[in-house]
Amino acid sequence: DTEVTQTPKHLVMGMTNKKSLKCEQHMGHRAMYWYKQKAKKPPELMFVYSYEKLSINESVPSRFSPECPNSSLLNLHLHALQPEDSALYLCASSQGGVAPNEKLFFGSGTQLSVL
Amino acid sequence: AQSVAQPEDQVNVAEGNPLTVKCTYSVSGNPYLFWYVQYPNRGLQFLLKYITGDNLVKGSYGFEAEFNKSQTSFHLKKPSALVSDSALYFCAVTGNTGFQKLVFGTGTRLLVSP
Repeated sequence: DTEVTQTPKHLVMGMTNKKSLKCEQHMGHRAMYWYKQKAKKPPELMFVYSYEKLSINESVPSRFSPECPNSSLLNLHLHALQPEDSALYLCASSQGGVAPNEKLFFGSGTQLSVL
Repeated sequence: AQSVAQPEDQVNVAEGNPLTVKCTYSVSGNPYLFWYVQYPNRGLQFLLKYITGDNLVKGSYGFEAEFNKSQTSFHLKKPSALVSDSALYFCAVTGNTGFQKLVFGTGTRLLVSP
């Protein structure tokens, strides 16, 4: 299995809703990432987990809450989002951790719309 | 701070012709450079990377890139373009910070016409 699987593919939520994005990989990778990509923009790093511990938080607002329950699973919990948070949320993983030479394997993303 | 510039929003090329997608970078210390491709409604796929060593890096699907330290460039090339190469291409850089913190360029859309 060489895939990073993200669910759901599409999500529409109101500003008062609570929802979660899910990401799975079964490649034995030791690092997992959340990126945010606005339309016609490059991906921007949000969070990095290495060996199931949060290594990097790029000053992301607290309405986004990451969780790494085990080495194969990464969640992003969403609460009280704003319309400007609408974007494609990409999950990625890397094999050996967060060394700068690691290549990333990306999922297809969750397209989030906040109404 | 590290940064990447992709000066062309779009590159048009006819099938069978060579293609070049340009990228320049700015980083403190030695750079780690990457090219990723994104097809519509999909995540990014890794094409190739430069870490150290040979300045000409070969990657997936017949793509290659040339690292030029004096010009701080890392242009993506392919000798003969295919219609199926049409996609959005991102150059990315990370410095030797100890962490994989990719900074992406703004992307270049490649359109290969039949």
